[in-house]
Amino acid sequence: NAGVTQTPKFQVLKTGQSMTLQCAQDMNHNSMYWYRQDPGMGLRLIYYSASEGTTDKGEVPNGYNVSRLNKREFSLRLESAAPSQTSVYFCASKLTGTGVYQGKLFFGSGTQLSVL
Amino acid sequence: KQEVTQIPAALSVPEGENLVLNCSFTDSAIYNLQWFRQDPGKGLTSLLLIQSSQREQTSGRLNASLDKSSGRSTLYIAASQPGDSATYLCAVSRNYGQNFVFGPGTRLSVLP
Repeated sequence: NAGVTQTPKFQVLKTGQSMTLQCAQDMNHNSMYWYRQDPGMGLRLIYYSASEGTTDKGEVPNGYNVSRLNKREFSLRLESAAPSQTSVYFCASKLTGTGVYQGKLFFGSGTQLSVL
Repeated sequence: KQEVTQIPAALSVPEGENLVLNCSFTDSAIYNLQWFRQDPGKGLTSLLLIQSSQREQTSGRLNASLDKSSGRSTLYIAASQPGDSATYLCAVSRNYGQNFVFGPGTRLSVLP
C-alpha cells in the first residue's frame, strides 16, 4: 500500500501565483487533514475533512481553500500565494470508528513550498 | 485553547541509555494522545496511540503513559540506539478524535 501520497514534493512560486497541492490515501480512511509545519511554530492545522463531502477550518485557514474530491482525495489550493505561506505542508488521514487503529494519524511525506 | 509543550527541546545521550521524553497539555478533556517520530525532511510516523481511557501503551522498546488528570504523558525509550535519533512529537485530540494539537517536539540524538 502507498499510504498517503502528496504531490508535488517541492514547489517554488512567485508572490500572487496560485497552485494546488494534491493528496490521496488508499487506506479507506474517513478523515483527512492539511497541516503546515514552520520552525518554532510546530504543526498547525489548516483545514480538515471529517468525512467525504464535509470540510472545516482549522487553526490557520486564511489564504487557503480545500476540496474533498472523493473519499480518497483531499486537495489544498493557494489562490494568491504570499511569502508567509512558505512552509512544509503535510497531508494526513485517519480512520474513524472503533477498533485498534481508530484515531491513528498517517502522514504523507510533505511538500516543501517556497514563495518568493 | 489547548496548548501542548514538550520537555526537553533537545536531548543527546550515549547509545544504550534508557530515556524519558515528556509531554504536557493544558486541557485534560482529550479524546486520545499520540506520539510520533519525524526524521529530517520526512513526514511523521505514528508510534503509539493512547485512548483517554487507557493508562499506557507499549510497542517494542517504547512505552507511553498517560495521566489525564495531571495533563501529562511520557514516552520511555529503552536501550536507545543511534537509529532512534529523530524528533519526537506528541499530539492530543478532542471532538471525537478530530482537531489534533501538536507539541513542538523533542530532538533526540543517540550517539554511538
